[in-house]
Amino acid sequence: GAGVSQTPSNKVTEKGKYVELRCDPISGHTALYWYRQSLGQGPEFLIYFQGTGAADDSGLPNDRFFAVRPEGSVSTLKIQRTERGDSAVYLCASSLTWEGEQFFGPGTRLTVL
Amino acid sequence: EDKVVQSPLSLVVHEGDTVTLNCSYEVTNFRSLLWYKQEKKAPTFLFMLTSSGIEKKSGRLSSILDKKELFSILNITATQTGDSAVYLCAGNNDMRFGAGTRLTVKP
Repeated sequence: GAGVSQTPSNKVTEKGKYVELRCDPISGHTALYWYRQSLGQGPEFLIYFQGTGAADDSGLPNDRFFAVRPEGSVSTLKIQRTERGDSAVYLCASSLTWEGEQFFGPGTRLTVL
Repeated sequence: EDKVVQSPLSLVVHEGDTVTLNCSYEVTNFRSLLWYKQEKKAPTFLFMLTSSGIEKKSGRLSSILDKKELFSILNITATQTGDSAVYLCAGNNDMRFGAGTRLTVKP
């Protein structure tokens, strides 16, 4: 079956613009995670959804970052007024349950010029 | 503050060598420790450890957790060039990842 997919694979934007990153989890996976990974670092947790609700958004760096999962499947990570420091690979992962094995998507590489 | 520290940060070995990668953690409400292999983009799952002293094995890879001393090790025996990757560990309650160990296996 299909794994986790993320679109776009690459996004180049200008400082101050708004971007949306999409994650399609594995069908039936109730838990969905967003991470941000900078070069040479491990993934940094951003937010975790259980179903439609954000169970833990403690990793979101500031109020420019927001994520939704309105129907408990696809999730969108939204970044307002992008800054150069937002440049990173944004990874999405899903799991059957919140403690289960996480399957990662290929990531979206965001570059803010 | 929760933290996960991996060592060494990088390691270069030759094919056939055995390596041990280390992960120490301080995680509030710890539930499990996970190991991943990251080659290009997405990390791929290796092991989930929840109990101390029980070794998990998958082929040439094995891992064990010590919940008293708060660390885990990942062993790779008879290394191959295809084992070259960044190996990540993460402490779960909040999926906090370490910085990873970059393993390079030379022919």
